[in-house]
Amino acid sequence: AQSVSQHNHHVILSEAASLELGCNYSYGGTVNLFWYVQYPGQHLQLLLKYFSGDPLVKGIKGFEAEFIKSKFSFNLRKPSVQWSDTAEYFCAVNRYNTDKLIFGTGTRLQVFP
Amino acid sequence: EAGVTQFPSHSVIEKGQTVTLRCDPISGHDNLYWYRRVMGKEIKFLLHFVKESKQDESGMPNNRFLAERTGGTYSTLKVQPAELEDSGVYFCASSQVRESTDTQYFGPGTRLTVL
Repeated sequence: AQSVSQHNHHVILSEAASLELGCNYSYGGTVNLFWYVQYPGQHLQLLLKYFSGDPLVKGIKGFEAEFIKSKFSFNLRKPSVQWSDTAEYFCAVNRYNTDKLIFGTGTRLQVFP
Repeated sequence: EAGVTQFPSHSVIEKGQTVTLRCDPISGHDNLYWYRRVMGKEIKFLLHFVKESKQDESGMPNNRFLAERTGGTYSTLKVQPAELEDSGVYFCASSQVRESTDTQYFGPGTRLTVL
């Protein structure tokens, strides 16, 4: 079955620490990749997306993600987290020419000052 | 620009009752999606409208779920009769164009609890 795996379910960091959240998917062929974030009490919002071109994608709030096709991965990174990055992060994939998003189970990030 | 809105924000009903969830997409967005997140699990696709037509309903769990989008504007998702396993957060999303790369904008969700 097609799936998206997020290996870290709960991550706890101190401010200024570096962040890397893993995401792997199990589709062959062309895919589009997304990271969404849900801050406490807010809507899901798009952090960044990749569909072609440079595999290193930069998003909002200093986040970036790297698409590694050979590893079927799209890990999210941030060099220095802030308390305001406390949120739940979702990796999602859709296949080329389809709209529906397939999500991972989410990673809850807590950042302590 | 107003975002995607959903009503109600919370609903608590008893098993066997009926509940109707509403989603208002961003104005001008032809594509409307319903997703659901059962506690502790992933957000799962339910269905996709393009204007008033159901483009993909492959994620609908069973025939107790009925989605409509009359006139191609807002959408409703009715659960009748509700079962315990229907509890979860129901998200609506909309996008402007029918391309897989287009961003889907999500609403705040409706938290449904079936007792």
